[in-house]
Amino acid sequence: GAVVSQHPSRVICKSGTSVKIECRSLDFQATTMFWYRQFPKKSLMLMATSNEGSKATYEQGVEKDKFLINHASLTLSTLTVTSAHPEDSSFYICSARDRGLGGETQYFGPGTRLLVL
Amino acid sequence: GQNIDQPTEMTATEGAIVQINCTYQTSGFNGLFWYQQHAGEAPTFLSYNVLDGLEEKGRFSSFLSRSKGYSYLLLKELQMKDSASYLCAPLTGGYQKVTFGTGTKLQVIP
Repeated sequence: GAVVSQHPSRVICKSGTSVKIECRSLDFQATTMFWYRQFPKKSLMLMATSNEGSKATYEQGVEKDKFLINHASLTLSTLTVTSAHPEDSSFYICSARDRGLGGETQYFGPGTRLLVL
Repeated sequence: GQNIDQPTEMTATEGAIVQINCTYQTSGFNGLFWYQQHAGEAPTFLSYNVLDGLEEKGRFSSFLSRSKGYSYLLLKELQMKDSASYLCAPLTGGYQKVTFGTGTKLQVIP
């Protein structure tokens, strides 16, 4: 089946630094990718929809200047957490939509655990 | 807004069958995903229903009724490894966003 990779899987950083997370669709082209955040024992919260070649669409309450999204190619989207603070510590998961012959499918990457000290 | 309703927790016996129900109220409904999520891991795709009816895929089947805003996931021949959260997720809107509720935590016992 289709695979979505994410890098890094874990990152620890100091407060005030920026962290970049990469999301790649490995065997299909994804015109649309999604970024989610999940706190412990809570549901996945959609942060933004990333469209190849255009600006991301952010959900209400998500700061676009803090969470920079770039979808430079059909297989790569990046999320940069700028000036990270401890409250940004979370599990960040990307997802890519595959509209192949098998029908509509949305696959998730393995996630990135961010800990901001 | 959107509203997704699933039981919070369920317990079932190894080898048995369990049905996890989901009702939803959304605008611009396109279809519905079911995902499995083990603790501390990202969700894994199980199924996607667009049309009414039952779709079977091995031990897992998913049913959709668009008019009733209702879906269920049926798990047969339960195995211990099926202990996980199961997420019902409608695909909605022009941007076709997938939104999640809190899911159903299933515990399979011997």
